[in-house]
Parts: sequence; structure tokens; C-alpha cells
Amino acid sequence: EDQVTQSPEALRLQEGESSSLNCSYTVSGLRGLFWYRQDPGKGPEFLFTLYSAGEEKEKERLKATLTKKESFLHITAPKPEDSATYLCAVSGYGGSQGNLIFGKGTKLSVKP
Amino acid sequence: NAGVTQTPKFQVLKTGQSMTLQCAQDMNHEYMSWYRQDPGMGLRLIHYSVGAGITDQGEVPNGYNVSRSTTEDFPLRLLSAAPSQTSVYFCASSFGAGTEAFFGQGTRLTVV
Repeated sequence: EDQVTQSPEALRLQEGESSSLNCSYTVSGLRGLFWYRQDPGKGPEFLFTLYSAGEEKEKERLKATLTKKESFLHITAPKPEDSATYLCAVSGYGGSQGNLIFGKGTKLSVKP
Repeated sequence: NAGVTQTPKFQVLKTGQSMTLQCAQDMNHEYMSWYRQDPGMGLRLIHYSVGAGITDQGEVPNGYNVSRSTTEDFPLRLLSAAPSQTSVYFCASSFGAGTEAFFGQGTRLTVV
């Protein structure tokens, strides 16, 4: 069964304090691993897709990396506007029929 | 470009009532899906469609019905609402299996 576990559940940072969010996954053949940002009362907003181990993607202060068992979302010098819940999802070739299977998310708070 | 549009944004139902949550996309995507989001549970797949006329069940399909008569629209029907269906519902669309999904803004449903 495809599964995604995110840690930590919540993370509080000071502005400028860099850190990383973890996404561990098990999947029957990885089609893709996805990172989303979700603000309160809004739908998830797509950030990155990673397809193979060793791949990296960057956008502003965010950098996503992928290994065969986990992905990291690195946040460099965060600002208060980076506060949100970050969701990780996988899509596999097995029983999930290519649909996205989500983790429970990491709630990030960045204090000025 | 509207993307994925959901209506209504908020709804209160009495136990036993039925209703339809609307979802429309203007990106010509083949894949469409419905998720529910509950505190501590993450996003869970209810039903999905790989194209017009084709639908299938996800992780939590009981109490919900879907149909897909056009590429653009994918309504979700609650046949007889129960308090356990109180949740936030998100519709999503994507080009196909293993590609990034784009989400609507959600419908917050309360069943009393």
C-alpha cells in the first residue's frame, strides 16, 4: 500500500532561520513525488514535482530534493509569508491507480 | 484562466438531506478527483475519473456518488447526508496519472 509520512507535524522558526521538512514514502513504483503549499481556508497550491532519486527543484527560498525513500523541502532564510501547511504526495504504478496519496502535512510558522 | 472552480464555498445541511457539490475545470484535463480533508487525517481520495464516462472509487467512497458526462465537469453527490460527512471537500484536475493536480478553493460542508 502506498503511504506518505511527513515530519515534523509542526515547525516554528524565527525569520531567517533555515530548516528542512521531511517526507518519507513507500510506493509501488514511483511515478512522481509532489510538494504543495496550503494556506488556511484555501486549496493546496502546487510547488514541485520530482520524478527520480537525485533530482532537485528550486523556487525562491524553497528547494526540494528526492531520494529512493524520502524527500526534503529545504527552506532557506524563511520569511513570515512562508507560513503555511506544506503537503507531500506521491503517485505510484500500483494500487493507487496513479492518484495522489497525501501525507498529513507540516504546519510551518515563521515569526518575525 | 479560472482553473478549477468549486461551488458552493460553504453549505450547511440537515442529516438526511441530499446535495450536489459542483466542480468545473477549463484546462482540458482528463483526470479529475474529489478529496475530503479532515483535521489530523490529511487529504483522502473519495472518487476519481480518468475521462468522460469513466469513474472509480477512491479510499473513502461510501455515501458519495459521482458521474462524468463532460470533460469539464465532475459533480459530487451526497445521497443522504450524515454528520460524519462534515468536512472540507476539494476537487482537483490533472493531465493524467502521475502528473501534478490543481485544486479548487474547496467547499466547507457542515451536516447537523
